[in-house]
Amino acid sequence: NAGVTQTPKFQVLKTGQSMTLQCAQDMNHNSMYWYRQDPGMGLRLIYYSASEGTTDKGEVPNGYNVSRLNKREFSLRLESAAPSQTSVYFCASSSTVETQYFGPGTRLLVL
Amino acid sequence: QKEVEQNSGPLSVPEGAIASLNCTYSDRVSQSFFWYRQYSGKSPELIMSIYSNGDKEDGRFTAQLNKASQYVSLLIRDSQPSDSATYLCAVNRLTGFQKLVFGTGTRLLVSP
Repeated sequence: NAGVTQTPKFQVLKTGQSMTLQCAQDMNHNSMYWYRQDPGMGLRLIYYSASEGTTDKGEVPNGYNVSRLNKREFSLRLESAAPSQTSVYFCASSSTVETQYFGPGTRLLVL
Repeated sequence: QKEVEQNSGPLSVPEGAIASLNCTYSDRVSQSFFWYRQYSGKSPELIMSIYSNGDKEDGRFTAQLNKASQYVSLLIRDSQPSDSATYLCAVNRLTGFQKLVFGTGTRLLVSP
């Protein structure tokens, strides 16, 4: 039981490049989330998926897209990376009423 | 006003002391409240949840909730150096679905 896994762990991009962050969970959770964490800003919700087949914007969705591929997988895409997207990205999952479990994070640097 | 506010710290306490971490929230309809611990370079992990007014104890940890004052706190008794971390307060306004709003966290330093 791996919980929530994320790939890659680290990534360096140049401005304008694209990339997809992958997230998978093996806890049979319905809901999945993408957050970014910046110094002094705390965790901010980018997008979430309440259940398979649905996605919704969170607090800071601009510059990102998501895909809920199936119940296990939820990916985050940066179409044209900007230095302001340098951050640590966390994926999380939860069942309907229980709390969220976080993946190990992806550290992204955009030059 | 931020939706969930925490003092960023650091809060420094000696080993064996009680550490008291505080959090206020702005939305009166908030339903459930959580404390996460995050070690440097790691992901947040849940340590306490509380849903109704009063105290909830789990080992050395006690969460306290006062909905009238819109205040939630975390007490750590017999603090250990291994408790040194950032503690994130999170609030859920919804029922039946987890959509959390996080505070910016309080850094706790426990000195031997």
